[in-house]
Amino acid sequence: LAKTTQPISMDSYEGQEVNITCSHNNIATNDYITWYQQFPSQGPRFIIQGYKTKVTNEVASLFIPADRKSSTLSLPRVSLSDTAVYYCLVGDNTGTASKLTFGTGTRLQVTL
Amino acid sequence: NAGVTQTPKFQVLKTGQSMTLQCAQDMNHNSMYWYRQDPGMGLRLIYYSASEGTTDKGEVPNGYNVSRLNKREFSLRLESAAPSQTSVYFCASNKELAGGPDTQYFGPGTRLTVL
Repeated sequence: LAKTTQPISMDSYEGQEVNITCSHNNIATNDYITWYQQFPSQGPRFIIQGYKTKVTNEVASLFIPADRKSSTLSLPRVSLSDTAVYYCLVGDNTGTASKLTFGTGTRLQVTL
Repeated sequence: NAGVTQTPKFQVLKTGQSMTLQCAQDMNHNSMYWYRQDPGMGLRLIYYSASEGTTDKGEVPNGYNVSRLNKREFSLRLESAAPSQTSVYFCASNKELAGGPDTQYFGPGTRLTVL
């Protein structure tokens, strides 16, 4: 699985847009990029997933440049409840029992 | 639809004791997983099961055994607990899309302390 690098922590004020960038220089052709969110004392929760260009859902947007060596998770107008750890995962999760590799993630702290 | 459920939520063991962590999912998913998460770390895969009746080792399988009892249930057993197994254990199941990427759904976790 491709190794990922993301910032250890980020701080933001409520109402701001937050962009978390993940580097994955060794991404393979069949790899997808997936982001999970984890609140304290809870299991990770799927946020968004993409292969190329831009993906948007009700929670976030995911921007992937043409070379796919990085990706950016964008959270619009964050609130205190967005304080969590965000994990970027890269892998070929299209086969049976695809396995995920979690790094240490980015700890986002949102304050007033 | 409860998703992925785990029992117990908390457990304290003494070194050498054994216990089984239970996991069940009601989403009819084929694949199920067990992870552990140590403080300040990401999740590490212990074992997984691609389908009923099959299990495979993940990144950190030593000291653990698993059973895929049926499609719904996947249990994790510690035969002789050690302090190094103090961790939070998460179970997950995998929603597989034909020709598309999968998505894993996680349970709430079991906090295990081994004294």
